[in-house]
Amino acid sequence: GENVEQHPSTLSVQEGDSAVIKCTYSDSASNYFPWYKQELGKGPQLIIDIRSNVGEKKDQRIAVTLNKTAKHFSLHITETQPEDSAVYFCAASMNSGGYQKVTFGTGTKLQVIP
Amino acid sequence: EAGVAQSPRYKIIEKRQSVAFWCNPISGHATLYWYQQILGQGPKLLIQFQNNGVVDDSQLPKDRFSAERLKGVDSTLKIQPAKLEDSAVYLCASSLVSPGTGFRGTQYFGPGTRLLVL
Repeated sequence: GENVEQHPSTLSVQEGDSAVIKCTYSDSASNYFPWYKQELGKGPQLIIDIRSNVGEKKDQRIAVTLNKTAKHFSLHITETQPEDSAVYFCAASMNSGGYQKVTFGTGTKLQVIP
Repeated sequence: EAGVAQSPRYKIIEKRQSVAFWCNPISGHATLYWYQQILGQGPKLLIQFQNNGVVDDSQLPKDRFSAERLKGVDSTLKIQPAKLEDSAVYLCASSLVSPGTGFRGTQYFGPGTRLLVL
């Protein structure tokens, strides 16, 4: 099955700095890569996603890059704000038996220091 | 649009007891997922329904866990009997179609049920 590794497990940045979270996946059949933000006591919320036919996608302060050859994708948050503090999960999704199967990374706890 | 609803939000039971969780997905969402999230880890898929049929339950511990989705809408997840290692957050998610096939494939998560087994 698919295996998704995520680094770092914790990340502290000063407000206004950038944060980068990296993930690798093992199965080249994965074709969809969402990123989720999970705040304390809440369920994960999709913040950005990218498909395998695209190398980069940006939405305001958030961007995701994908390197299919290296099986590597990253989340970039610029001009971080205290409200960006949360746990971030990457995921990889592939077709399996006619349905998409999603595998999550282990999470990165981001702390933005005011 | 109302989100995914889950109840109860918290549950404390003793080992070997039974417990059930309920999920009401977003209206019209055909796909429903149950995930187990152990503290400090990412969500792990337990079972995935397409309408009222199971499409993936490969990681569901079937000797103690069961789930059903009657009429393709609400779903319940049951644990009987519970073990200490079942302490976790149980997340329900739904999507219009299976994710990855387009915007409608986005998974929307509920707030989760926090289970503590003593």
